[in-house]
Amino acid sequence: GAGVSQSPRYKVAKRGQDVALRCDPISGHVSLFWYQQALGQGPEFLTYFQNEAQLDKSGLPSDRFFAERPEGSVSTLKIQRTQQEDSAVYLCASSQSSSGVSSYNEQFFGPGTRLTVL
Amino acid sequence: AQKVTQAQTEISVVEKEDVTLDCVYETRDTTYYLFWYKQPPSGELVFLIRRNSFDEQNEISGRYSWNFQKSTSSFNFTITASQVVDSAVYFCALSEETSGTYKYIFGTGTRLKVLA
Repeated sequence: GAGVSQSPRYKVAKRGQDVALRCDPISGHVSLFWYQQALGQGPEFLTYFQNEAQLDKSGLPSDRFFAERPEGSVSTLKIQRTQQEDSAVYLCASSQSSSGVSSYNEQFFGPGTRLTVL
Repeated sequence: AQKVTQAQTEISVVEKEDVTLDCVYETRDTTYYLFWYKQPPSGELVFLIRRNSFDEQNEISGRYSWNFQKSTSSFNFTITASQVVDSAVYFCALSEETSGTYKYIFGTGTRLKVLA
């Protein structure tokens, strides 16, 4: 399909384990966002990439969270030494627009990865 | 500070009733964008509408309509003749030009239950 895909869809980790979540954005989309959605809440911004450059990581909750997009397409969100409070759905979104342009397109979201930390 | 408030946590209606979901936002930007997304039980956020701060025209798309009022900082969403398939969580979101990234600020969502 032509949408945003994420893998795995579900991940169960023991506290202290490292996890890696993958996002395949829509082909050609410049902008890529990661959001964290806790149960019963709205998504909250984690980080933003414009092509391969990480321009905003202000939403990452701690230095255990790390994201990369080395070739400007696929992105990986890594969480080290997972804690129970990291349990959430992690959403990836992509957009055609980049920062600094006058017009703006909406973000397209993937299905998310549900992370459960035991 | 920027903020989106969806005061209605959950709404239940009977099929064919009309329902309005409220969204109030706060921003200091003069250029910003407002969005509505639908999140069905499958979990994927589905885009419904985008509105920029300079366009206060109301919009209608089938059974959906949106009322944007800058004077009250509101962007409300009405579903006419609701159907069971409309059952989902609906999110309102704000994106500001000065953020530099157009990242979304979401409300906490309104869960809509349409009963047959």
